[in-house]
Amino acid sequence: GAGVSQSPRYKVAKRGQDVALRCDPISGHVSLFWYQQALGQGPEFLTYFQNEAQLDKSGLPSDRFFAERPEGSVSTLKIQRTQQEDSAVYLCASSSSGSGNEQFFGPGTRLTVL
Amino acid sequence: QKEVEQNSGPLSVPEGAIASLNCTYSDRVSQSFFWYRQYSGKSPELIMSIYSNGDKEDGRFTAQLNKASEYVSLLIRDSQPSDSATYLCAVNSNSGYALNFGKGTSLLVTP
Repeated sequence: GAGVSQSPRYKVAKRGQDVALRCDPISGHVSLFWYQQALGQGPEFLTYFQNEAQLDKSGLPSDRFFAERPEGSVSTLKIQRTQQEDSAVYLCASSSSGSGNEQFFGPGTRLTVL
Repeated sequence: QKEVEQNSGPLSVPEGAIASLNCTYSDRVSQSFFWYRQYSGKSPELIMSIYSNGDKEDGRFTAQLNKASEYVSLLIRDSQPSDSATYLCAVNSNSGYALNFGKGTSLLVTP
């Protein structure tokens, strides 16, 4: 079946621009996660949804980062007033249940802020 | 946030040998442990999950978990050049759902 999809795959933004990154999880997966991966590092947790509820946003680095999943399926990660330090790969993962279960990653969105 | 430690490598092994990748973590509450493979420029791909002490085998891969020592490892038998990648160890956080990742170990299998 179809895996996790993300769009766009690549995004170049000028500093100060707003960006929106989309994630379409595996059908039926109630849990959705956003991670940020810097070059040479492991992914770092940003936020977690169970259905439409955002249960944990403790990893969001600043109030410029906002995520939503209004209908419990597709999710959008929005970054306002982008900064150079926001340049990274943003990974979305989904899981069939919330705790301890296997997470499957999408291809990621590589964001470059100039 | 609890730490997950991996040797960054690179770990170089000849084709056909056993590659041994190690990971330590520092949270005794952790219950779920995962190994992901990540090729350069690609996203992490789940290859093994383990939840209880002991060994779990899947094809050429064996995951080993020792909760008392806070240690999890991945063995790759009959290593192939296509196994060359970065291997990420992930441990569920004390919240139970988010994963804490190590920085990954780079594996190079030479023909």
